[in-house]
Amino acid sequence: EAGVAQSPRYKIIEKRQSVAFWCNPISGHATLYWYQQILGQGPKLLIQFQNNGVVDDSQLPKDRFSAERLKGVDSTLKIQPAKLEDSAVYLCASSLGPTDTQYFGPGTRLTVL
Amino acid sequence: AQSVTQPDIHITVSEGASLELRCNYSYGATPYLFWYVQSPGQGLQLLLKYFSGDTLVQGIKGFEAEFKRSQSSFNLRKPSVHWSDAAEYFCAVVNSGTYKYIFGTGTRLKVLA
Repeated sequence: EAGVAQSPRYKIIEKRQSVAFWCNPISGHATLYWYQQILGQGPKLLIQFQNNGVVDDSQLPKDRFSAERLKGVDSTLKIQPAKLEDSAVYLCASSLGPTDTQYFGPGTRLTVL
Repeated sequence: AQSVTQPDIHITVSEGASLELRCNYSYGATPYLFWYVQSPGQGLQLLLKYFSGDTLVQGIKGFEAEFKRSQSSFNLRKPSVHWSDAAEYFCAVVNSGTYKYIFGTGTRLKVLA
């Protein structure tokens, strides 16, 4: 069974530029999560989808971050414009349902200069 | 509001010694509780979870955790640590109503040979 795929694995951009991350969850998983993990901290939930609807985006900085999950499968997370403090690893996870085990992708390490 | 606290940022144990990682949560009802491990360069992996029933939960890699409602704790234990257990461990609490995930800040485990 293929795991959660994310791309790119690494990205370096300058502040005020835009960037997009892509996530392909495990087939059949209805719930998809995006987390931000700053060095030395635990993952912080940015947004949670159930199929293609948003369940929770209370911690998503909506002035610069956006996410979508078209057709309830793949998802993209965008940052525009990026700030220095956005430097982090962005993790995507998926699960069959909201109380099931989450399976995490390898993450995208973003560096904002 | 729900929250989770991992009081120990770093723990060092000798190989073969026993291990206990602490996790305290704050939540009005019985939460769903999880422990994840993040090994260097690898993604997060579920060790075990508690929803209800037996308060002593067995997980993978010889880990177990005990849910103590009176202490609002869900501590992770292992009777004999192996060098390969060196990693960062995260406790997570999920709101059983909204299914919102909150991760703790993590405990970094170092194992001495």
